[in-house]
Amino acid sequence: AQSVTQPDIHITVSEGASLELRCNYSYGATPYLFWYVQSPGQGLQLLLKYFSGDTLVQGIKGFEAEFKRSQSSFNLRKPSVHWSDAAEYFCAVGGWIDDMRFGAGTRLTVKP
Amino acid sequence: DAGVTQSPTHLIKTRGQQVTLRCSPKSGHDTVSWYQQALGQGPQFIFQYYEEEERQRGNFPDRFSGHQFPNYSSELNVNALLLGDSALYLCASRLRGGNEAFFGQGTRLTVV
Repeated sequence: AQSVTQPDIHITVSEGASLELRCNYSYGATPYLFWYVQSPGQGLQLLLKYFSGDTLVQGIKGFEAEFKRSQSSFNLRKPSVHWSDAAEYFCAVGGWIDDMRFGAGTRLTVKP
Repeated sequence: DAGVTQSPTHLIKTRGQQVTLRCSPKSGHDTVSWYQQALGQGPQFIFQYYEEEERQRGNFPDRFSGHQFPNYSSELNVNALLLGDSALYLCASRLRGGNEAFFGQGTRLTVV
């Protein structure tokens, strides 16, 4: 069965500091991996996705993620966080036919 | 090109009632999935429709049912509403075998 674990429920970083959000997945075949961001009361916005090829994926808003098959991880990173990045971040795993399964999310707070 | 549209945006129902939520997929998409997102949690997969049939189902009771029409639009029906059914219901569409799903803004259901 497919599943996603986001170990950090809440992370606080200072504006301008680097960020890494952790994601571990379980999936029996080649996974499709996603990171979404959700602001309060809003829908889900896709930040980036991995299907195959280069394991370092670039997304929108300066985010990147690295797929590590040996560790079943797909961690999200940003070199310098902006106050507008404060939101809830969700990692998801899916497949060619299988729908996505989401983690519980990590809430990011940005200190001025 | 309109993206995924959901209606209504907000809904208040009384415990025990029935509700129908609607979703129009992005143009060209033939697969529709529904997710439930309770407050403070990640989206939970309800079911997926393709070719007017339910193809995959998450861990939800039979009170949750759906339908897909020949134009690929979809409905989610929930019978005998419980207070715990209060959530944001998200619809996502994609092309079968495609590697990216697009989400609607969701329907906020409140059960009182």
